[in-house]
This record gives sequence, C-alpha cells and structure tokens, in this order.
Amino acid sequence: EADIYQTPRYLVIGTGKKITLECSQTMGHDKMYWYQQDPGMELHLIHYSYGVNSTEKGDLSSESTVSRIRTEHFPLTLESARPSHTSQYLCASSDARPCEQYFGPGTRLTVT
Amino acid sequence: SQKIEQNSEALNIQEGKTATLTCNYTNYSPAYLQWYRQDPGRGPVFLLLIRENEKEKRKERLKVTFDTTLKQSLFHITASQPADSATYLCALDSGAGSYQLTFGKGTKLSVIP
Repeated sequence: EADIYQTPRYLVIGTGKKITLECSQTMGHDKMYWYQQDPGMELHLIHYSYGVNSTEKGDLSSESTVSRIRTEHFPLTLESARPSHTSQYLCASSDARPCEQYFGPGTRLTVT
Repeated sequence: SQKIEQNSEALNIQEGKTATLTCNYTNYSPAYLQWYRQDPGRGPVFLLLIRENEKEKRKERLKVTFDTTLKQSLFHITASQPADSATYLCALDSGAGSYQLTFGKGTKLSVIP
C-alpha cells in the first residue's frame, strides 16, 4: 500500500463554493501529479510538480490551481466550483525515472 | 497525434484461463511502458514496467511483452482468478527526460468463476 493520502474521499458542494482537495505523501518523492478521471474514461493530467515551488499545467485545461510549498504536500484548489467540475480527482507521486507512479485513493467531487 | 489504444473496453474469461490484454500506441517513442490495475472508485496501482530494450518481463502470474517495432505491448494474466477482475491500464512516458505518463482508457477484465 502506497503512503499517499487524499482528503476528503467524497465531497458534495454547491455551485460557487471554494474548495481545496488535499494530497500528502510520506515517501519523499519530488514529483507529484493531479489527474481528473470521469467514469469509464482515461486519466487526464491537469497539474504536475517536479519539486518545491515548481508547478505546471498538464494536458487537460483546468480551472483549478495548485501549490507546492512542502515536498510532501500538493493541494488543489477550485476558487468557484461548477457542475462541470464534477469528477474523480486522483493525486499521484513518483521518484526518479522510470517514474512508476503511486496513487492516492482519490476524491469524488460532486458539484450541485 | 499521439494515441494509446487498449484492445477492448471489456474482456470476459473463464477462471483458470489466461487473459491477454493489448496496448497499441502511435506517435510515441517511449522509454518505458507501464501497466496498472484500477478497482472501482480507487486509484490505479502499479503492476509492472518494461523498458524499450526489454522484450518480456514477468512477475508471479503476470507477463508483459513489449514490441517497439509493432508499437504494441501484451499483458498476460495466467491461471486467472475472480480476484483479478479489475480495469487494467497501460501507460507510456513521453520520451527521454519526461516524468509524465499518458494513460490508455483501460480494459475491464471480468474473470467468471
């Protein structure tokens, strides 16, 4: 079992609210990632970080933002949630290449 | 454009048989190809990695082959069990120096007792 944690596991929230999804890992990995996955669909990379104070947007455009102030912590924030943000959000981390990724359990977000 | 295709969305096999899943890719030159298992409502779990200069890799009942000429990987589960039922994803890195992975859509395997 990988030492990567996500909270909350499930979140139902109204439109317009600000939310932060938490992700922490205890493996000391430099690289961390956020993916979005809809049911039956592939994972899409929305943000990644290769170290403290380094963040980049992924292939899938997202209205969310991320920060990386500490190696172990990589939170994702939505300033104003919309129904289109309803999805599963998965956090992952990896070490140096060949960079197999270790995933958290995910946060299932529903915006009403 | 870069594309990853996994042979079918769903595969049903009888317990004890060998399951074979296919991953084809175009417009990639990956250094590694990886296979993950994903259960419903959970994050993917890393299973196996194979490098571009390796033809085959084994781990217990799992076997992966990698043909960079055909741009294809085959993932085999021998003596399959109902507990092997899950979605299996293949993932490619984007080439030298990249830490990012692109995932296929996955194949949902059901092992019938």
